[in-house]
Amino acid sequence: AQSVSQHNHHVILSEAASLELGCNYSYGGTVNLFWYVQYPGQHLQLLLKYFSGDPLVKGIKGFEAEFIKSKFSFNLRKPSVQWSDTAEYFCAVIPTSGTYKYIFGTGTRLKVLA
Amino acid sequence: SQTIHQWPATLVQPVGSPLSLECTVEGTSNPNLYWYRQAAGRGLQLLFYSVGIGQISSEVPQNLSASRPQDRQFILSSKKLLLSDSGFYLCAWSHAGTSGRGLRNEQYFGPGTRLTVT
Repeated sequence: AQSVSQHNHHVILSEAASLELGCNYSYGGTVNLFWYVQYPGQHLQLLLKYFSGDPLVKGIKGFEAEFIKSKFSFNLRKPSVQWSDTAEYFCAVIPTSGTYKYIFGTGTRLKVLA
Repeated sequence: SQTIHQWPATLVQPVGSPLSLECTVEGTSNPNLYWYRQAAGRGLQLLFYSVGIGQISSEVPQNLSASRPQDRQFILSSKKLLLSDSGFYLCAWSHAGTSGRGLRNEQYFGPGTRLTVT
């Protein structure tokens, strides 16, 4: 069955530290990949997405993610986090054919200390 | 621009009572519509999705049902709530698109409904 794994459930960082959140998926075919963020009290919103082309994609607020097909990974990175990045982050995938089901990871709660 | 509405925002219902949560989308036509339940530490569990009026796919056997009476309206229902139905319910939509990868583009999420069954 298709699945998405986010290995870091809770991450605590100090401001200016670098961030990397892991995301691995299990699916043998082609997928579209997404990272969503949910700030406290706000809607889930898209951070970035990857469909094809350059495997390094840039999103809003200085976030980027790298798709490594051989590792089935789509890790999220930010060189220097801010207190305002405190939120929950979700990785999601959807196969490019045959289904309209998005598969989400369990999420990573990030707390950035000022 | 497109917007998505969910109501109510919070709901407290006794066990055994019926449920109706509503989701409507504005500013787009023929969207794909989704109901999720979000639980702490479990991510988003897909409950139902719909690619058109009257077309509902159920992902998890449970006490809930969904309907799509109009193009941009998606309703989550239950005849008799269970304690285990408590949770945070999210509605989302995505563009239906015409072909290829555009068909499976990003989703747009509503503000959610916090349901507490007592």
